[in-house]
Amino acid sequence: DVKVTQSSRYLVKRTGEKVFLECVQDMDHENMFWYRQDPGLGLRLIYFSYDVKMKEKGDIPEGYSVSREKKERFSLILESASTNQTSMYLCASFSTGAGRYEQYFGPGTRLTVT
Amino acid sequence: DQQVKQNSPSLSVQEGRISILNCDYTNSMFDYFLWYKKYPAEGPTFLISISSIKDKNEDGRFTVFLNKSAKHLSLHIVPSQPGDSAVYFCAALLNNNDMRFGAGTRLTVKP
Repeated sequence: DVKVTQSSRYLVKRTGEKVFLECVQDMDHENMFWYRQDPGLGLRLIYFSYDVKMKEKGDIPEGYSVSREKKERFSLILESASTNQTSMYLCASFSTGAGRYEQYFGPGTRLTVT
Repeated sequence: DQQVKQNSPSLSVQEGRISILNCDYTNSMFDYFLWYKKYPAEGPTFLISISSIKDKNEDGRFTVFLNKSAKHLSLHIVPSQPGDSAVYFCAALLNNNDMRFGAGTRLTVKP
């Protein structure tokens, strides 16, 4: 019953490294999202994509970029990781099928930047 | 500036009683609202949603109420069970593809 998968559950990177977080969904959803979750701040939207090769900035896009070359895959890229990007990263896909709105999340990637 | 706010970081209720989780929003253009539940080390799971054209949606023990004039929605859980203990997130959808979340409320249901 796999819906949304993320490439890593835990990741440790050094400051300045380039980091790739991969997300794959198997539900043929048009919309995909990247959030980060921090204590007291909830889920903050980094980027979302409503179609292949389309992307939109969320609330906190600075320091991040994204790539959506295929419908099922949405990648988050940290060009030069910094310690303030230590966080839990959550990917999600979204459906509006049959008049119902549902969003499915991956298990999350806990990234630590040292 | 957060467009979706959950002003109570935590809530504690007794098993069998009602849990009421609140959420406020600022953007009147949101057209759909959703509630999610999150356990530690897991991604959030969808619970229940409501369209902006409705004022109530019920699914088993969970009911969501929407007051558009007050830009306020709430999630009622009746009766509350210890397994309901988790962090609950309110979310609002704009233009079918822009989803914003609140900061979450940690619910503890005591046996």
